[in-house]
Amino acid sequence: QVQLVESGGGVVQPGGSLRLSCAASGFTFTSYGMNWVRQSPGKGLEWVAFIQYDGTKKFHADSVEGRISISRDNSKNTLYLQMNSLRIEDTAVYYCAKSLLQLGARPSGWFDAWGQGTLVTVSS
Amino acid sequence: QSALTQPASVSGSPGQSITISCAGTISDVGGHSLVSWYQQHPGKAPKLIIYEVNKRPSGVSSRFTGSKTGTTASLTISGLQAEDEADYSCCSYAGGRSFVIFGGGTRLTVL
Repeated sequence: QVQLVESGGGVVQPGGSLRLSCAASGFTFTSYGMNWVRQSPGKGLEWVAFIQYDGTKKFHADSVEGRISISRDNSKNTLYLQMNSLRIEDTAVYYCAKSLLQLGARPSGWFDAWGQGTLVTVSS
Repeated sequence: QSALTQPASVSGSPGQSITISCAGTISDVGGHSLVSWYQQHPGKAPKLIIYEVNKRPSGVSSRFTGSKTGTTASLTISGLQAEDEADYSCCSYAGGRSFVIFGGGTRLTVL
């Protein structure tokens, strides 16, 4: 079965950096686009970033553009989120989410598998 | 791009039907068929229950149906069960620089 396991969350000061990882198994990782979606405490979901199945195309939400970057290592079946210049408002549970359709070239909003999430807290 | 607009809460009794609305614009809900719905129980990850406006992934109960009229999408849950008590969020492709946007979520209470 599909399994997504996030790691790397923690407490960081404003302006700091963190790298999240998501280990994928149970499906052909190299055939699917992957996403990061976050949820601030008590708030709604917010799409953060998408990366095409082969890593050649990436899309980021305006709220994180230039500070947060998605990447993947298909040889390790692992998705990453590099987070720099972190702000208080980046505090959230970050979920790794698999796109529903194979070989998609853009984010669709259809996420058929999610990890358990990893909490990032930005606080001084 | 603003978030999609959902009611904060809805409620219903077991066996009843409820409908959750998701209001958007011509740039998102009204301009695409890329509308989806997610169910999220407290402390758990979201689960995809509807995609492409009205399609159900394998294993999702037929009690969940999706629809869209103009710039508003809707999720209807029929034959309410206690296990349906959860948060429900709509989602749409928005194009431009927003790409994907979510609604604020609706808390469903089964009385």
